[in-house]
This record gives sequence, structure tokens and C-alpha cells, in this order.
Amino acid sequence: GAVVSQHPSWVICKSGTSVKIECRSLDFQATTMFWYRQFPKQSLMLMATSNEGSKATYEQGVEKDKFLINHASLTLSTLTVTSAHPEDSSFYICSARDLEGGETQYFGPGTRLLVL
Amino acid sequence: DAKTTQPPSMDCAEGRAANLPCNHSTISGNEYVYWYRQIHSQGPQYIIHGLKNNETNEMASLIITEDRKSSTLILPHATLRDTAVYYCIGSGGYQKVTFGTGTKLQVIP
Repeated sequence: GAVVSQHPSWVICKSGTSVKIECRSLDFQATTMFWYRQFPKQSLMLMATSNEGSKATYEQGVEKDKFLINHASLTLSTLTVTSAHPEDSSFYICSARDLEGGETQYFGPGTRLLVL
Repeated sequence: DAKTTQPPSMDCAEGRAANLPCNHSTISGNEYVYWYRQIHSQGPQYIIHGLKNNETNEMASLIITEDRKSSTLILPHATLRDTAVYYCIGSGGYQKVTFGTGTKLQVIP
């Protein structure tokens, strides 16, 4: 139980294009999902908290117009990196909190983004 | 989140118990101690969590001191597949989870 998936697992795109990453909770409902970014040899950095049916809350320094988050259902949140640039190349990881399972967060396998 | 302190790295012989310490002296009464691990190029994996009592599951045991200022994650029989970065996190009240630098555990054959 408590499985979170991400799609795609990796993506290569040209500079200036937009990329959408999906995060799904497969066997539970999640009112809250989180998006993290991880650069090589660094720890995970929280980007934003996504709540179903409401606007996401972004961490300081994260551009909300560049990283669009939509949490339209209890099992799906999407992160769109708009007008991607090489410095956006990173490992993007989502997590979800089980509505009925308390406070534990379960993480997806991550999406590796390379912007050329 | 409570601030946590972990050693940057540890080695453990395969088959032996791996004991990973964590200091969380500022943890508040309603914050749980969570442990996650991240194997290279994968998303973090939930291991175990506890509030006051010691906890055990199929993956590990969690020993929390009586004053809750520190804890130890125990992997009873470490295997090469346990090589990973282990994160200790203090979190509660449905707060967001933020990650520190963790402990890089290397299991040696």
C-alpha cells in the first residue's frame, strides 16, 4: 500500500519549452501533495505544498509563475515547469500524505529533467 | 520541523546491525520522529516513525530516548541494498517535511 507514482521518469527538452510532471497516489487519497527538487549531491528541497482544490503554497524563492502546480483531484497533482532553462535541470520528486493514514508522507520515484 | 543533527557518514559490515543516531533536542511534544532513506537516484522511502515509544517494523527498529532528544534507527542485519542516505526528521501536526543532509550509510561486504 501507499504507492506514489510519477510520470515521466525522465524527460529531455529544449530550452524555452514547458514540461509537465504528473504525481499520482495509486492506492490512497491524498489531500496534500508536496513537490521537491534535488540537485546532484544535495538534499531534497521543498518547492511547494499542493492542496486538493486550492492554490499551492510555494516556498520562499520558488517562482510560482514558473513552476505551476495543479492538484485537481485527490489522487493527482501536476507540476509544470514553464519556459524551462538548463538551470532547471534537476531531479523532481513528489510526495503524498494519505488522507486516512495520518501524517506520514510517501514519495514517488522521481522525475529527472534535463533541459538542453 | 524540529532541527535534527546526524553524522554525515557511517560504515557497517554486511550482516551486522547498523545503528544510525539522530539528535533532535528541539523536538516539540507533538512532533514525531520520522526516518526515510534514499537509495541513489530514487525517491525517498519511508522506514519508520515514532512519538515516544520504541517502534519496530519489518524494516527497522526505532529507539527514542525518554527525554525525546535523540533517537537511533537500527537495521538489524544490514545488507548491501541498505546502502543509502538516511534522513531523520522531526515533524508533526501535519507540517511539511523538510530534509537535512542525512547520514550516508555504506554497507561493506
